[in-house]
Amino acid sequence: ETGVTQTPRHLVMGMTNKKSLKCEQHLGHNAMYWYKQSAKKPLELMFVYNFKEQTENNSVPSRFSPECPNSSHLFLHLHTLQPEDSALYLCASSQPGQDYEQYFGPGTRLTVT
Amino acid sequence: QKEVEQDPGPLSVPEGAIVSLNCTYSNSAFQYFMWYRQYSRKGPELLMYTYSSGNKEDGRFTAQVDKSSKYISLFIRDSQPSDSATYLCAILNTGGFKTIFGAGTRLFVKA
Repeated sequence: ETGVTQTPRHLVMGMTNKKSLKCEQHLGHNAMYWYKQSAKKPLELMFVYNFKEQTENNSVPSRFSPECPNSSHLFLHLHTLQPEDSALYLCASSQPGQDYEQYFGPGTRLTVT
Repeated sequence: QKEVEQDPGPLSVPEGAIVSLNCTYSNSAFQYFMWYRQYSRKGPELLMYTYSSGNKEDGRFTAQVDKSSKYISLFIRDSQPSDSATYLCAILNTGGFKTIFGAGTRLFVKA
């Protein structure tokens, strides 16, 4: 595997379910990001981790819970989501301090029913 | 006022045309200016970034920054059908870690 991978690629979940999104990067980076991409809207930064430490939480509701066990892996735990949370969730990585050069995964298309 | 404004298009051009994609931004503190390309069902891919003002060229692509006007542009020469994608501009301030993205311009290049 090369670059940034994300699983699953598609996810349908009910409002009462709990699920997790997984991201893995094979680039040797130490910064990882979660973004939300909704139709016709700009990418919204959700969380940033540098060397496994969370350095940014962009006022994200607590129903989204990130986890970064090491510099290569990033998770987004989901629970009690709302239909408006349906979107493409993108993971990215970079070297710390080089946020201008981010590498993105293919995303997880999430549908909340 | 949004921090970054980008016309969503769609923009449709014939093959071989010169394409001009543009964004405006509001805060003069931004120093890094990036262009990403996103194909359908894929994540964004960095095309190039520019620090401060000036031009940067990479093959058929040229990025241009005019800080006095707070205006950034991406030019694509000899456009190809494979250039059909959504192009996202993005900005970042020095020392910051929050990249601000435009909404993206959808480009169609017709064969």
